[in-house]
Amino acid sequence: QKEVEQDPGPLSVPEGAIVSLNCTYSNSAFQYFMWYRQYSRKGPELLMYTYSSGNKEDGRFTAQVDKSSKYISLFIRDSQPSDSATYLCAMSAGTGRRALTFGSGTRLQVQP
Amino acid sequence: ETGVTQSPTHLIKTRGQQVTLRCSSQSGHNTVSWYQQALGQGPQFIFQYYREEENGRGNFPPRFSGLQFPNYSSELNVNALELDDSALYLCASSSGRQEGTGELFFGEGSRLTVL
Repeated sequence: QKEVEQDPGPLSVPEGAIVSLNCTYSNSAFQYFMWYRQYSRKGPELLMYTYSSGNKEDGRFTAQVDKSSKYISLFIRDSQPSDSATYLCAMSAGTGRRALTFGSGTRLQVQP
Repeated sequence: ETGVTQSPTHLIKTRGQQVTLRCSSQSGHNTVSWYQQALGQGPQFIFQYYREEENGRGNFPPRFSGLQFPNYSSELNVNALELDDSALYLCASSSGRQEGTGELFFGEGSRLTVL
């Protein structure tokens, strides 16, 4: 069993929809939770970062962490065609120079 | 500010050969991490270098080795290539300023195909 599980999709939604992306994990030591976005043929770029449990909002994006359930989510409001990409959850037990453990990514397609 | 650059972008090797991939970290970053991303999978941690020393390693065999140079650029070397080594190899840099964020700055990767 993988440490981090993520539904690979693909997920296809109409423009303007609310998108929900999720990951579950098994390692209780994880404290730092991130969402990266990866466009085709590009490297991942950091979207959101959350420490421990709670919510964080940044524009159209909201990240939620529920450590008791070992479950994290990313919500995208008013989705745009430019949001079409693969979304990777990532987590670590410590900051800075520690390795990140990634999910396998969910491919999102927003239809105009 | 120059971002993370990797070379070559694409390469094809045959089984048993050796390959060297190169990475220039973002200006001011002293830590470089290498990840392997197989098709349809998330990146997997290979190892990390901080100030020219290996600072952590994932579950990869010793034929995966690396170097970091005084200017913080880095190389990933893979010996005795196997078909399963075909993947996108991502280099990511970071500095102490990202300590609290877990933010890695990724390059666009080197896509290796092993035939």
